[in-house]
Amino acid sequence: EADIYQTPRYLVIGTGKKITLECSQTMGHDKMYWYQQDPGMELHLIHYSYGVNSTEKGDLSSESTVSRIRTEHFPLTLESARPSHTSQYLCASRGSYLETNEKLFFGSGTQLSVL
Amino acid sequence: AQSVTQLDSQVPVFEEAPVELRCNYSSSVSVYLFWYVQYPNQGLQLLLKYLSGSTLVKGINGFEAEFNKSQTSFHLRKPSVHISDTAEYFCAVSAGGFKTIFGAGTRLFVKA
Repeated sequence: EADIYQTPRYLVIGTGKKITLECSQTMGHDKMYWYQQDPGMELHLIHYSYGVNSTEKGDLSSESTVSRIRTEHFPLTLESARPSHTSQYLCASRGSYLETNEKLFFGSGTQLSVL
Repeated sequence: AQSVTQLDSQVPVFEEAPVELRCNYSSSVSVYLFWYVQYPNQGLQLLLKYLSGSTLVKGINGFEAEFNKSQTSFHLRKPSVHISDTAEYFCAVSAGGFKTIFGAGTRLFVKA
């Protein structure tokens, strides 16, 4: 059912590298989100967007940045990756209340490991 | 602000036994409540939701949950679990704004 895609699925990189995690959805949803997931911990909201050219920081401080130039695309960038950035990153989207009744659609996630 | 507490980090259970995964929330305003399931190596998918109306909501795969406003709880139940129900389950709350707040998850292990 989900039409939201994340790439890559797994990423192992060295410290100091710049990386971009891709997220795309084909449902025309205005709202998009990035969550960070660590084992046994809450999913923490790190970024969200209401629509094109709108981005906000979430509840958990993050050194990553996001952009929303097109409705369907919401990439997350780390300018200089560190081992503390090792985590699972989940992208999600949601339509209007009438469209989706508050339901979030999730991608399969990107597991990032920084060595 | 809203918060969600999932009272059990892991729940082991034998196949065909009943199970209850507990969730409590706090909020100063009315909320929408959700349960999401995450199977290994997959994203989260919606199991069921409470928006309004009947406090007993039924979801996919035989799961149901009951909204209890006085106890601020939204426990998830299934009368008979299968091996395939092994997954992580997340309770979540939304106040109808842009944010959905998630609990820490409960890992359900179903043993043969």
